[in-house]
Amino acid sequence: QKEVEQDPGPLSVPEGAIVSLNCTYSNSAFQYFMWYRQYSRKGPELLMYTYSSGNKEDGRFTAQVDKSSKYISLFIRDSQPSDSATYLCAMSAGYGSARQLTFGSGTQLTVLP
Amino acid sequence: SAVISQKPSRDICQRGTSLTIQCQVDSQVTMMFWYRQQPGQSLTLIATANQGSEATYESGFVIDKFPISRPNLTFSTLTVSNMSPEDSSIYLCSAIGLVLKETQYFGPGTRLLVL
Repeated sequence: QKEVEQDPGPLSVPEGAIVSLNCTYSNSAFQYFMWYRQYSRKGPELLMYTYSSGNKEDGRFTAQVDKSSKYISLFIRDSQPSDSATYLCAMSAGYGSARQLTFGSGTQLTVLP
Repeated sequence: SAVISQKPSRDICQRGTSLTIQCQVDSQVTMMFWYRQQPGQSLTLIATANQGSEATYESGFVIDKFPISRPNLTFSTLTVSNMSPEDSSIYLCSAIGLVLKETQYFGPGTRLLVL
């Protein structure tokens, strides 16, 4: 079993839809949770960052972390064609050597105009 | 966030040759990492580049195949040695953020094709 599981998709939605992307994990030491967006032929771009459990909102994006269920989500409201990309969840246990990130496999999202 | 550049952005190489990839950060950072991303897959950590000392390699990666240098706090190189077609991949460097110290910022990647 992988430490971080992410549905690879592909996921295709119409413009304006609400998108839900999810990851589950097994390591209870993870405390820092991130979502990266990766456009084709580009490096991953940090999109959202959350510490421990709770919600964080930034514009059309909301990140949720439920540590009790070991489950994290990214919601995209009013999705746009420019949101079409691969979304990677990542997490770490914290400082020092624990700063190493463990990534999910990525979900490929296409938003159709 | 730190701005990270990589050179070359892409290359096509012959089997048995070596390629050195450069990573430059626009400000001093504490930690730098090298990842590999094979087609359609997620990121796999190759090693942590340590300033002034030998890199720390992950399981399955060895120094003879992937020698790494980090002479200062803003620069690192990764060499892919004695390449085979299985080394065809995207190679990414990353650095720990100065503000968000628990996360990483990535360079644009180097796309390598080995024939």
